[in-house]
Amino acid sequence: DIQMTQSPSTLSASVGDRVTITCRASQSVSTWLAWYQQKPGKAPKLLIYDASTLQTKVPSRFNGSGSGTEFTLTISSLQPDDFATYYCQQYNTYSYTFGQGTKLEIK
Amino acid sequence: QVQLQESGPGRVKPSETLSLTCTVSGGSISGTYWSWIRQPAGKGLEWIGRFSVSGSTYYNPSLKSRVTMSGDTSKNQFSLRLTSVTVADTAVYYCARGGSHDYWGQGTLVTVSS
Repeated sequence: DIQMTQSPSTLSASVGDRVTITCRASQSVSTWLAWYQQKPGKAPKLLIYDASTLQTKVPSRFNGSGSGTEFTLTISSLQPDDFATYYCQQYNTYSYTFGQGTKLEIK
Repeated sequence: QVQLQESGPGRVKPSETLSLTCTVSGGSISGTYWSWIRQPAGKGLEWIGRFSVSGSTYYNPSLKSRVTMSGDTSKNQFSLRLTSVTVADTAVYYCARGGSHDYWGQGTLVTVSS
């Protein structure tokens, strides 16, 4: 199994801040990586796929990068609506896996 | 616009079988993979498995012995069966489309309790 490890687990930030979340894979997943945003009581929402492609209608302040085993999700200028939990997910192998999540909190 | 809707019992007894259905509207279940994902209260997402109507299925190794997925193209639905459930299987269960899951159902809470 490929293990996905996100850091940090919790991130405190303010509106307007630039923040970065890291996701590391236990082996290469090429660019078969997605990022999701989840708010309480809601289904996850796809933000980024194929490591760096912005999903339709997702604001351009979200940026994904990386390949192989190390990936980042950057939010260039935090907006109030961005405080949520973020997950990475690999879909390179037959069996997919999610990271454990990063909770982005208001400082 | 593709929409997914999970349905099934909200409560299952320990040792019994959990059965859920995902109904897809706005698109065909043929031609792509469909997944089930679950999330215990206050915890992260766990991928359960995926299937395609062509017959390919892949399951999370930790659940493989208890999981079966299938589809019904006539109803544009796909299903999840999880046998021998325990309280640890209590979670919100989601269905979703594709490798990068671009469409999700709203989720359905399944509680394992006697």
